[in-house]
Amino acid sequence: EPEVTQTPSHQVTQMGQEVILRCVPISNHLYFYWYRQILGQKVEFLVSFYNNEISEKSEIFDDQFSVERPDGSNFTLKIRSTKLEDSAMYFCASSEGINRHTQYFGPGTRLTVL
Amino acid sequence: AQTVTQSQPEMSVQEAETVTLSCTYDTSESDYYLFWYKQPPSRQMILVIRQEAYKQQNATENRFSVNFQKAAKSFSLKISDSQLGDAAMYFCAYKAGNTPLVFGKGTRLSVIA
Repeated sequence: EPEVTQTPSHQVTQMGQEVILRCVPISNHLYFYWYRQILGQKVEFLVSFYNNEISEKSEIFDDQFSVERPDGSNFTLKIRSTKLEDSAMYFCASSEGINRHTQYFGPGTRLTVL
Repeated sequence: AQTVTQSQPEMSVQEAETVTLSCTYDTSESDYYLFWYKQPPSRQMILVIRQEAYKQQNATENRFSVNFQKAAKSFSLKISDSQLGDAAMYFCAYKAGNTPLVFGKGTRLSVIA
């Protein structure tokens, strides 16, 4: 069964460094998402992406964040200058469509900012 | 803004017994979707079950079923014949139109052998 994959599973970085989190969505899916879950809290939406552009973003998704689909398979989240409060689990998800379709999540990347 | 409320931070159930996890939501939309996701200790988010608001019939997936009460804006998850592998965080989530998924705070389910 196709699934969303994410790399790395765990990333440790120093405050102020740039990180890139990678995702490979399910191959026939057209919509891609990033969510964040700070330890012990609920999952929060960051951004959705369709047709090579951002379709929606939350207040969390400020100028330090960016997303890209550099090729036909990868979908990346870049955090330009990490802060301690960026430590969280980051989930990538994908769906066939936007309205009626279920979002399938990857296993997540645990980001630790020291 | 839509909100999802899970009023039970923690629940426990004896192995082989049945447990019901509660979820309520607030919306002015008539067409929307509701989901239950399971998050085991590995922290992966796994879809358990999905319900379309326009369907009156409650969704079922093997041992998992929902009680969807549209007028009351309630969407509870029933797990029958609980197994040790069911122990996890369970998140209720809502989606309408092209808006993103909105999650509740989760319920941690423990299964007692």
